[in-house]
Amino acid sequence: EDKVVQSPLSLVVHEGDTVTLNCSYEVTNFRSLLWYKQEKKAPTFLFMLTSSGIEKKSGRLSSILDKKELSSILNITATQTGDSAIYLCAVVLIQGAQKLVFGQGTRLTINP
Amino acid sequence: KAGVTQTPRYLIKTRGQQVTLSCSPISGHRSVSWYQQTPGQGLQFLFEYFSETQRNKGNFPGRFSGRQFSNSRSEMNVSTLELGDSALYLCASSLAGSYGYTFGSGTRLTVV
Repeated sequence: EDKVVQSPLSLVVHEGDTVTLNCSYEVTNFRSLLWYKQEKKAPTFLFMLTSSGIEKKSGRLSSILDKKELSSILNITATQTGDSAIYLCAVVLIQGAQKLVFGQGTRLTINP
Repeated sequence: KAGVTQTPRYLIKTRGQQVTLSCSPISGHRSVSWYQQTPGQGLQFLFEYFSETQRNKGNFPGRFSGRQFSNSRSEMNVSTLELGDSALYLCASSLAGSYGYTFGSGTRLTVV
């Protein structure tokens, strides 16, 4: 069975800290990995990563995929209270048509 | 351009009833997929439609069904509601073959 596991499930840090969120997967027919941020309801897209191993960056956020370890990390530097959210990792599979398998999410809380 | 629109935003139903949720994708997007989000299970894939055809289905009972219309709008139906069906139901639209999944704000279903 396809599985995506995120860790930690919950994390509380102080503003200004750097955090690293983890996502590991055991799937067949891997195509890519996606990171989303969910603040209230609609998850918003952050990054798409492929087996190329190229790091993606956007401001204080960066992410990379390790195809040997079947995992990805999401780094957030100089955290701000606005970074508080649930961070979701999803693997895109090719099974006839594309399908997303999500991890449980990491709830990140940034305290001022 | 308008985002993904889900209606209604909130629903309260009693056990045994049925419910229909609606999702209007971003203009031009032909793929619509549905997910159930609960605190315990995270986001779980329900099904995906493309050009009015169901291309992929998750591991949910037959009480969960859906359809897509010629204008790409999609509906999902849950019959004989159970307490465990209480969840946030999210839909995501994308261009065929792309990874740009955009989520709607979801429908919060409460079964009492």
